[in-house]
Amino acid sequence: GENVEQHPSTLSVQEGDSAVIKCTYSDSASNYFPWYKQELGKRPQLIIDIRSNVGEKKDQRIAVTLNKTAKHFSLHITETQPEDSAVYFCAASTTGTASKLTFGTGTRLQVTL
Amino acid sequence: GAVVSQHPSWVICKSGTSVKIECRSLDFQATTMFWYRQFPKQSLMLMATSNEGSKATYEQGVEKDKFLINHASLTLSTLTVTSAHPEDSSFYICSARTSGRAIAGEQFFGPGTRLTVL
Repeated sequence: GENVEQHPSTLSVQEGDSAVIKCTYSDSASNYFPWYKQELGKRPQLIIDIRSNVGEKKDQRIAVTLNKTAKHFSLHITETQPEDSAVYFCAASTTGTASKLTFGTGTRLQVTL
Repeated sequence: GAVVSQHPSWVICKSGTSVKIECRSLDFQATTMFWYRQFPKQSLMLMATSNEGSKATYEQGVEKDKFLINHASLTLSTLTVTSAHPEDSSFYICSARTSGRAIAGEQFFGPGTRLTVL
């Protein structure tokens, strides 16, 4: 089955700096890679996703890059703000009726003033 | 659109009792629902996948007789934790997907249920 590794486990940045979280996956058949933000006691919120037919996707301060050959993808947050503090999870899956998400281990991002 | 609810949001029960958690898709038909368990400071671990009208598929290591899943309609799935013990205390999260979204891979998550077994 799919295995997703995520680094770092914790990340502390100063407000205004950039944050980068990296994930690797094992199943070359995976073609859907979402990123979730989870605040304490809340549901995971989809913040951005990328599919295997593109290498990069951007939405305001958030961007995701995908390297299919190396089987890794990364989340980039620019101009970080205190409200970006949360736990971030990457995930990978195939698509189709039998698909299921495999989550990374999570990164706790702390944005300090 | 694509709203998923869970009930209850939290529950405390005594060891040995059973607890039922409901997951509802409010504005779409969920052909597939997923149940996850999340221990403190850990990731979401998939417990089982359920398709409407058929038996759930459990992940390796998840006891199907302990975690009973029913997906009787396109808008409701239930997870029953039978004979709960303190080690079952966790955050249980469901997600739902429509057949159309299956192609896209996207799931919609419920708000989670915090289970505490005394």
